[in-house]
This record gives sequence, structure tokens and C-alpha cells, in this order.
Amino acid sequence: GNSVTQMEGPVTLSEEAFLTINCTYTATGYPSLFWYVQYPGEGLQLLLKATKADDKGSNKGFEATYRKETTSFHLEKGSVQVSDSAVYFCALSDQGTGNQFYFGTGTSLTVIP
Amino acid sequence: KAGVTQTPRYLIKTRGQQVTLSCSPISGHRSVSWYQQTPGQGLQFLFEYFSETQRNKGNFPGRFSGRQFSNSRSEMNVSTLELGDSALYLCASSLASGENTDTQYFGPGTRLTVL
Repeated sequence: GNSVTQMEGPVTLSEEAFLTINCTYTATGYPSLFWYVQYPGEGLQLLLKATKADDKGSNKGFEATYRKETTSFHLEKGSVQVSDSAVYFCALSDQGTGNQFYFGTGTSLTVIP
Repeated sequence: KAGVTQTPRYLIKTRGQQVTLSCSPISGHRSVSWYQQTPGQGLQFLFEYFSETQRNKGNFPGRFSGRQFSNSRSEMNVSTLELGDSALYLCASSLASGENTDTQYFGPGTRLTVL
């Protein structure tokens, strides 16, 4: 079946620190991979996506590379800001299951000044 | 282009009552999915509707139901509310083009509190 596993949080970093949030997946077909971000009191917003192996998604300084050999899609940012404090969700969609998305449990990030 | 809208944003009900939540997808989007988000269980998939038909369903009891109208707007209904139904209910829409690259776009959610 399809599933997504994210590193457990919460994660606390100082401003300008390097961020990595690990995400691995299991899929029966050829999934697309996504990172979503949720700020307090809001819905999820798409952060970035990659649709095939070796693709790199990037947005607002965040990057993630679709690694088929390791079934991973780790999120990275070189220098985090206080405004990056949020919950981050890794997700996959597999055409074999229609439009159903599979989400990880979310990783809470707090950036302190 | 307007985003996904959900109404109401906040709702307080008592045990045993029923509730209906509404979702208007992005114009042109044909698929609507519903999720329940709680601190303990995280984000859980409820169901997905496409062309007025339920296409996928999560592992929730029959008290949770939904429907989609011809204009792609969707409603979900929870009957005989329980305290554990208190959650943020999120709606997401997508083009459902049939391509694996479809992205889901989320609304702000409806915060349901059951007393």
C-alpha cells in the first residue's frame, strides 16, 4: 500500500540554522511527492512538489529532491527564519489510487530568534 | 482566482446533534477531498468526491457522509455527534485531470467543537 513516514517532532532551531525534515514513502506505483505547510489556525498550503524521480522541488528557500532509490523526499532549508515556524507535512499521490493523497503525521518546527 | 472556501469557519454543537459543513472548490476543480485533523490522530482522510460520486473513502464510521453537487461544491455531514468528533475539518480541491501531477489545494477549515 501507500504510506508516508516523517521524522518525529517537534523540532526547535535557532534563526539561520540549517533545516532538514526527513520523509520516506512507500508506494505501489509512481507517485508524485509534496510538502505542505500549515501555519497556526490555517489550512495546509502547498510548499513544493516533485513529480518524478530526481526532480527537485523548490520554493521560498526550501528544497526537496525526489530520490527513488532511497524512497525519500527530505525537506531542507539553508537558513531558517522565525516566520518558518509551522507544521510541515510530507505527502504523496499515486495515480493508481485515483486522486487520494497520503499524508505523513506532520513535523512541528519552531524557530527561535 | 478565488481559493477553496469553507463555511462555517467555526461551529459549536452538542452530543447527539448533526452538522453539515460546506466546501466550495477552486473554479474548474472537479475533485473535492475531506480530511479530519486532530492533535492525537493527525490528518486523516475521510472521502473524495469526483463528478458527484464518491471515489475514495477513508476508515470512518457511517455517521460521516458527504455529497457533491453538479457545480463541484461539496458538503459533508456528521450525524449523532460524539465528543471525539471535535476537530478541524479540511476540504481540498484539485483539477483531477487524470495526471499524477495533480495538486490538492486546501481551504482554511471548519473548526467543530462538540460539547
